[in-house]
Amino acid sequence: KNEVEQSPQNLTAQEGEFITINCSYSVGISALHWLQQHPGGGIVSLFMLSSGKKKHGRLIATINIQEKHSSLHITASHPRDSAVYICAAPSSGSARQLTFGSGTQLTVLP
Amino acid sequence: SAVISQKPSRDICQRGTSLTIQCQVDSQVTMMFWYRQQPGQSLTLIATANQGSEATYESGFVIDKFPISRPNLTFSTLTVSNMSPEDSSIYLCSVAQGAYGYTFGSGTRLTVV
Repeated sequence: KNEVEQSPQNLTAQEGEFITINCSYSVGISALHWLQQHPGGGIVSLFMLSSGKKKHGRLIATINIQEKHSSLHITASHPRDSAVYICAAPSSGSARQLTFGSGTQLTVLP
Repeated sequence: SAVISQKPSRDICQRGTSLTIQCQVDSQVTMMFWYRQQPGQSLTLIATANQGSEATYESGFVIDKFPISRPNLTFSTLTVSNMSPEDSSIYLCSVAQGAYGYTFGSGTRLTVV
């Protein structure tokens, strides 16, 4: 089973700061997911990536397949970015089940 | 991508009662999953809902406690039975799409008193 570790657990930043959240996994994967969870519990998929880098607005996700590591960056952070960010990887080689990281609670202060 | 309507969004229930959570998808999907997220914890897979057959449960979860229905490829329900305060969690459904993609429901925040 894939082990997914995420850091930091909690992150407080001032508005405008550059944010980095890290994720590492133990088993080679086809794609890694970055998710955003809102206070009500609902989850939105931010990125699915299998190599290189993806960018959407102020969010950037990178992955290094050889090192089994991914990062989520937020540029020019804003209070509305405050949420829990979760990385997730396939649990095993062929299953469509995901193993989730423990999440990073991000708070951006105005 | 698929859109999931999950209901209810939240509920407060008395111990010993049961709650049924519904997920309706706007397109046919083969694989649907139910997750639990206990306070301060990561998401844990409860079961995979299979259309036309019994759900496949993960270790630590049993059908008597979490019965699941999947009558067609667009709908599923999860029931939390004989609830206790330890069942207070967020419950989420998810569907697999395409080669590697997923869509998640909006979550049900359950409090058992």
